Amino acid sequence: DAGVTQSPTHLIKTRGQQVTLRCSPKSGHDTVSWYQQALGQGPQFIFQYYEEEERQRGNFPDRFSGHQFPNYSSELNVNALLLGDSALYLCASSSFFQETQYFGPGTRLLVL
Amino acid sequence: GENVEQHPSTLSVQEGDSAVIKCTYSDSASNYFPWYKQELGKRPQLIIDIRSNVGEKKDQRIAVTLNKTAKHFSLHITETQPEDSAVYFCAAADISNFGNEKLTFGTGTRLTIIP
Repeated sequence: DAGVTQSPTHLIKTRGQQVTLRCSPKSGHDTVSWYQQALGQGPQFIFQYYEEEERQRGNFPDRFSGHQFPNYSSELNVNALLLGDSALYLCASSSFFQETQYFGPGTRLLVL
Repeated sequence: GENVEQHPSTLSVQEGDSAVIKCTYSDSASNYFPWYKQELGKRPQLIIDIRSNVGEKKDQRIAVTLNKTAKHFSLHITETQPEDSAVYFCAAADISNFGNEKLTFGTGTRLTIIP
């Protein structure tokens, strides 16, 4: 049974560029949540996708957008990258009516 | 919105002793409190969670207690071992409507077990 997977593992971009991160949920899960974890901080909620729609959103600007596909996998897109977007981006998968969230290994994004 | 504070930020404990990490939350609607362990360079892993209808939950050497009135919850690790060294995060969520809601995390506690 595959756990939550994310790609790529690491990414280096320059300011102003755009990036797409990918997440495949655990088998049997239908909900994907994205979190940003800055160095030395706890994860911060970006948004959650269920039934291919954004269901909840945290305090992140519109530069952060996402998508969920019919197979429940998800993408996180960040436009006009800023230095402050450098962080570990985690996705968490779950079943919609269950509270437990399982995290992927993350994508470490460095913006130069 | 919810705000979760976590203390201490760092904790060093002699192997075999107990460790306690404390969190407070601000939103009285929160009713689900998981704890995650994150080893260096790895994903956060759920180690224990508790719902607000329960005051205490135990799983082998790990226990969590919840005081709804005071809005605080704690993680207790007994008989600590070197492999317990990691960063621990508490979190809170309101799961009243659906099972799956956003988690608000604390800032983490770096636990070091001294052999």
